[in-house]
Amino acid sequence: EPEVTQTPSHQVTQMGQEVILRCVPISNHLYFYWYRQILGQKVEFLVSFYNNEISEKSEIFDDQFSVERPDGSNFTLKIRSTKLEDSAMYFCASSELGRELYEQYFGPGTRLTVT
Amino acid sequence: GQQVMQIPQYQHVQEGEDFTTYCNSSTTLSNIQWYKQRPGGHPVFLIQLVKSGEVKKQKRLTFQFGEAKKNSSLHITATQTTDVGTYFCAIRRETSYDKVIFGPGTSLSVIP
Repeated sequence: EPEVTQTPSHQVTQMGQEVILRCVPISNHLYFYWYRQILGQKVEFLVSFYNNEISEKSEIFDDQFSVERPDGSNFTLKIRSTKLEDSAMYFCASSELGRELYEQYFGPGTRLTVT
Repeated sequence: GQQVMQIPQYQHVQEGEDFTTYCNSSTTLSNIQWYKQRPGGHPVFLIQLVKSGEVKKQKRLTFQFGEAKKNSSLHITATQTTDVGTYFCAIRRETSYDKVIFGPGTSLSVIP
């Protein structure tokens, strides 16, 4: 069964450093998402992406964050200057189409630890 | 902004007992989705409800969408240890379909 993959599974970085989290969505999916989940808390929406542009973003997704689909398969989340509070699990998700009609498939996540 | 609440926050049940979690919104929803997240895992889609009063069943799981489309419930009959995890409802604003808002979740523990 097709699945969303994410790399790395765990990233440790120092405060102020840039990190890039990578995702490979399911191949025929057109909508892509990033979420984060601080340990023990709820899943928080960061951004949705369709047709090579951001379709929605949350208040969390400030200028320190950016997303890119550099080729036909990868979808990346970049954090320019990490803060301690960016430590969380980051999930990528994709769906066949958008709006409310389609389920999202989540990747296994990347655990980001900022020290 | 749109608020999504889930109750209870935690539920501990004896294996074989039933379990119900409730999701409540401050505004009318166009649809609602339910996800399950096992400890250490990622959210997995369970179901989507669209119509007012809709009821859907998946084996021991029953999902219901309220008549006013402001609330939903997930009921598990005769829980098993495999049901352990956190159950999240997820909604979308009518004006921002591509932004998904997850509820805080209900964490279910099943005592064998």
